[in-house]
Amino acid sequence: QKEVEQNSGPLSVPEGAIASLNCTYSDRGSQSFFWYRQYSGKSPELIMSIYSNGDKEDGRFTAQLNKASQYVSLLIRDSQPSDSATYLCAVDSNYQLIWGAGTKLIIKP
Amino acid sequence: ETGVTQSPTHLIKTRGQQVTLRCSSQSGHNTVSWYQQALGQGPQFIFQYYREEENGRGNFPPRFSGLQFPNYSSELNVNALELDDSALYLCASSLGGPGANEKLFFGSGTQLSVL
Repeated sequence: QKEVEQNSGPLSVPEGAIASLNCTYSDRGSQSFFWYRQYSGKSPELIMSIYSNGDKEDGRFTAQLNKASQYVSLLIRDSQPSDSATYLCAVDSNYQLIWGAGTKLIIKP
Repeated sequence: ETGVTQSPTHLIKTRGQQVTLRCSSQSGHNTVSWYQQALGQGPQFIFQYYREEENGRGNFPPRFSGLQFPNYSSELNVNALELDDSALYLCASSLGGPGANEKLFFGSGTQLSVL
């Protein structure tokens, strides 16, 4: 059974600090990795995608991938209250996305 | 606004009944995927359709079936509803070909409650 694991949280971070979200996956053959944000009662929206080892930056967001350790992370710099949401890690495995259960992030003003 | 619409938004059914959920994708999005999201869980892949053919299926029984139409609309049908089928059902469209998951555009979902 291919799996994606995330700490369910909640992760509480002060406004303006860096939020660090982590994800591990079991399928060594996976090549595509995604972070989605889901506000309560809403559908997921794509924040970042990453395909190769290393860091990928987009504004306040940085995705990090380490295929050898089967580990993906998302850093959010200068956290804002509007970043409070559940962050879902998704891994492409044999043409389907396997999703983690999500980490609930709370940004405290 | 993703351009993907789902109907109905909420639905209440009783065990053993059948249900049809609908999704309308953006024009040009040939691939549509359906997901089940239970409370507090991540989405679970049900199946994917590409140009009206089922392209892949997750670990769901045959009572979950689907259709995709040439006008970029699609349906998810569930027969013999069970209590555990209560969940948020999401459809997601994408521009790419079979297995394309690079950027999914999600609808707002249908919340199904089975009593």
